[in-house]
Amino acid sequence: QSVLTQPPSVSAAPGQKVTISCSGSSSNIGSNYVSWYQHLPGTAPKLLMYENNKRPSGIPDRFSGSKSGTSVTLAITGLQTGDEADYYCGTWDSSLSAVFGGGTKLTVL
Amino acid sequence: QITLKESGPTLVKPTQTLTLTCTFSGFSLSMSAVGVGWIRQPPGKALEWLALIYWDNDKRYSPSLKSRLAITKDTSKNQAVLTMTNMDPMDTATYYCAHSSTVTTWAFDYWGQGTLVTVSS
Repeated sequence: QSVLTQPPSVSAAPGQKVTISCSGSSSNIGSNYVSWYQHLPGTAPKLLMYENNKRPSGIPDRFSGSKSGTSVTLAITGLQTGDEADYYCGTWDSSLSAVFGGGTKLTVL
Repeated sequence: QITLKESGPTLVKPTQTLTLTCTFSGFSLSMSAVGVGWIRQPPGKALEWLALIYWDNDKRYSPSLKSRLAITKDTSKNQAVLTMTNMDPMDTATYYCAHSSTVTTWAFDYWGQGTLVTVSS
């Protein structure tokens, strides 16, 4: 059971927009920055977002992040087949431990 | 350019101790405000954070695994080493090491390719 809660799966058609939610508590998301990771099977996870809504160099602006209270959301617009992957949110907890969500599988129909 | 690579045994027996090495380049663990973490992913399951070592040798561990984990660094070799005692089949997973720093407020911005460790007799 992951500390952060994500929907197991989301889907949308190419070109459409999808959002992935991640909820936590006041001891983790509520008091720390959140990051998002894209993970394709057999590859290294890739950092998509840090500090809730900042994109590392090379990440297209189709990806955006937002935070409200103890929840965060990753939005992907202009969906492409290459976006099919597992997406994880992550943050730090007041116990000084890193925590991840259970992951969300994105299917581009 | 920052790169990391995990190495270690692919198969360990139950009750044995696992030692994994993360060899990296493009940064030094003697540099201020840098860290290397270990994260694992059991087959079909989510990412799970294990431990992180900071440039100043401060260490953090997953509360649920703290009694079994130890993380160390060798700055002369650009390595971070994770040991996990009393291995169990439930510890079968792909183990990743990752770079972290204050640049991304301690997100994991560079990851190794991972190494699959199977625990079986």
